[in-house]
Amino acid sequence: NAGVTQTPKFQVLKTGQSMTLQCAQDMNHNSMYWYRQDPGMGLRLIYYSASEGTTDKGEVPNGYNVSRLNKREFSLRLESAAPSQTSVYFCASSVILAQPAYEQYFGPGTRLTVT
Amino acid sequence: GQQLNQSPQSMFIQEGEDVSMNCTSSSIFNTWLWYKQDPGEGPVLLIALYKAGELTSNGRLTAQFGITRKDSFLNISASIPSDVGIYFCAGQLGETSGSRLTFGEGTQLTVNP
Repeated sequence: NAGVTQTPKFQVLKTGQSMTLQCAQDMNHNSMYWYRQDPGMGLRLIYYSASEGTTDKGEVPNGYNVSRLNKREFSLRLESAAPSQTSVYFCASSVILAQPAYEQYFGPGTRLTVT
Repeated sequence: GQQLNQSPQSMFIQEGEDVSMNCTSSSIFNTWLWYKQDPGEGPVLLIALYKAGELTSNGRLTAQFGITRKDSFLNISASIPSDVGIYFCAGQLGETSGSRLTFGEGTQLTVNP
């Protein structure tokens, strides 16, 4: 049971290049999330998928697209990378609980630099 | 949107000391979560709180869900060097899977042996 996995771990892009960050979870969770983490700003939600087949914008969606490929996988795409997208990107998934609450579990992160 | 104010931003303590950090919000939350992030890793869930007034412990960690539902604190007793890291609070407003979390900016903890 690997939990939440992310690839790649590190990436350097030139301005204008595109790339896709991959995320997979093996916990049979319904919901998945993409965050970015910048120094002194905590974690900010980019997009999330409440369940397979649905996606919604988070706090900072501009410049990104997502695909919920199946229940396990949720990818984040940068179509035309910009230096402002230099950040650490975390994928997370949430467990299903009987009570009206949930917890999110995070992957190890992708460190992206755009030059 | 909702904002979480987490304090202090950083702490430098000696091994064996107790630590306290807190989060306050302008909005009411239904759930409070506390995470720890080690350098180069993703956040790891420490404690989850689901009811106003709830006090929950996990080893040397104790967290409370404020009565007003607008705040939460985390205490670490008898700190050790491996407690070093960034601690984040997070609040959840909704009651369904997929509801969004709002994160605090983090408290950077340094423990001197």
